[in-house]
Amino acid sequence: KAGVTQTPRYLIKTRGQQVTLSCSPISGHRSVSWYQQTPGQGLQFLFEYFSETQRNKGNFPGRFSGRQFSNSRSEMNVSTLELGDSALYLCASRAGRNYGYTFGSGTRLTVV
Amino acid sequence: GDSVTQMEGPVTLSEEACLTINCTYTATGYPSLFWYVQYPGEGLQLLLKATKADDKGSNKGFEATYRKETTSFHLEKGSVQVSDSAVYFCALEESTLTFGKGTMLLVSP
Repeated sequence: KAGVTQTPRYLIKTRGQQVTLSCSPISGHRSVSWYQQTPGQGLQFLFEYFSETQRNKGNFPGRFSGRQFSNSRSEMNVSTLELGDSALYLCASRAGRNYGYTFGSGTRLTVV
Repeated sequence: GDSVTQMEGPVTLSEEACLTINCTYTATGYPSLFWYVQYPGEGLQLLLKATKADDKGSNKGFEATYRKETTSFHLEKGSVQVSDSAVYFCALEESTLTFGKGTMLLVSP
């Protein structure tokens, strides 16, 4: 059974650019969440999607957005990149509220 | 709001030593509690969970008991191995997952 797949694994972008990260959840999982991991702030919740609807949103500026498609695949977009957006972005999926999340290996974004 | 506090690391142990990583939480309701583990260069893996008071989660020799009276969920293992070296995250879930800062465990042969 394939796990959660995140692409790309690594990205280097320049300040001011925008970036799109992709996440394919485990087959059958309709809930997808995104987290930002940095050494200083640790793991911070970005947003959660279920059946193409955003169910929860963390405390991030509007430059961070996401969406979920009908096949449950999800993308997140960061516009007008800042140096502080450099982080490991983790996607997680689960089968339902009574199950734990399965995480992908993450996308390492470096903004220069 | 919800928060999770776990002991700072790194925790350095010799192989076969006993492990305890402390975790306490603050929540408004009755959250589910989790321990996740992260190996270098990888995402998080669910290690164990407990969904209500007095539940004990266990997996791979690790265990943790949901203590509502002390709002704690300490991770324990009786005999650690070198392969247990990783970062361990305590987390709670009410509407979303809230993580602690993580505790690095280093086990030497």
